[in-house]
Amino acid sequence: GESVGLHLPTLSVQEGDNSIINCAYSNSASDYFIWYKQESGKGPQFIIDIRSNMDKRQGQRVTVLLNKTVKHLSLQIAATQPGDSAVYFCAETSGGSYIPTFGRGTSLIVHP
Amino acid sequence: SAVISQKPSRDICQRGTSLTIQCQVDSQVTMMFWYRQQPGQSLTLIATANQGSEATYESGFVIDKFPISRPNLTFSTLTVSNMSPEDSSIYLCSVSDRGGTEAFFGQGTRLTVV
Repeated sequence: GESVGLHLPTLSVQEGDNSIINCAYSNSASDYFIWYKQESGKGPQFIIDIRSNMDKRQGQRVTVLLNKTVKHLSLQIAATQPGDSAVYFCAETSGGSYIPTFGRGTSLIVHP
Repeated sequence: SAVISQKPSRDICQRGTSLTIQCQVDSQVTMMFWYRQQPGQSLTLIATANQGSEATYESGFVIDKFPISRPNLTFSTLTVSNMSPEDSSIYLCSVSDRGGTEAFFGQGTRLTVV
């Protein structure tokens, strides 16, 4: 179902700091996880993904960590830049579904 | 990656009217979806647009309110019918290919109903 609540959680960081955005999921059958970035006025953009047989995956300046025991996913952004300011969504699928279920989203604000 | 064009990018509509949103993809794709994103909230799937057959709607969404067409593998439309202020939202087209491991989104249509 849809998220309840009018306001997204917000994370404020200084430029150059590392950012960690967290996401909890409830479906123990989820086996594929994706992080999306949505800038103002744009659609979500794929950042990085991870399958349930992994617990860590690294990209360029981003790392995704998966803890299946506690059903927790995190996105780490190194040396955060003002251009990283956006809303970040985690999403998950299970059983080979093509359709991701989106989490609530976190607004990241990077201060110069 | 797929390039998705959505039209219109935004509109302000009178209650009781209908708006049709177009989604054009630059390549043939297997899966096309329509999402709604209410202000400050996450994305909710409205339906899967099926080529040559009726769309598959999620719980809480019905064809009479959100008729969808998909005449080919690169184009789809979503109509928001008999609009009310509660329909004010961003509507997003999404496509997926390569087994659905990556979904691409259009820039969205920001709809305001007055």
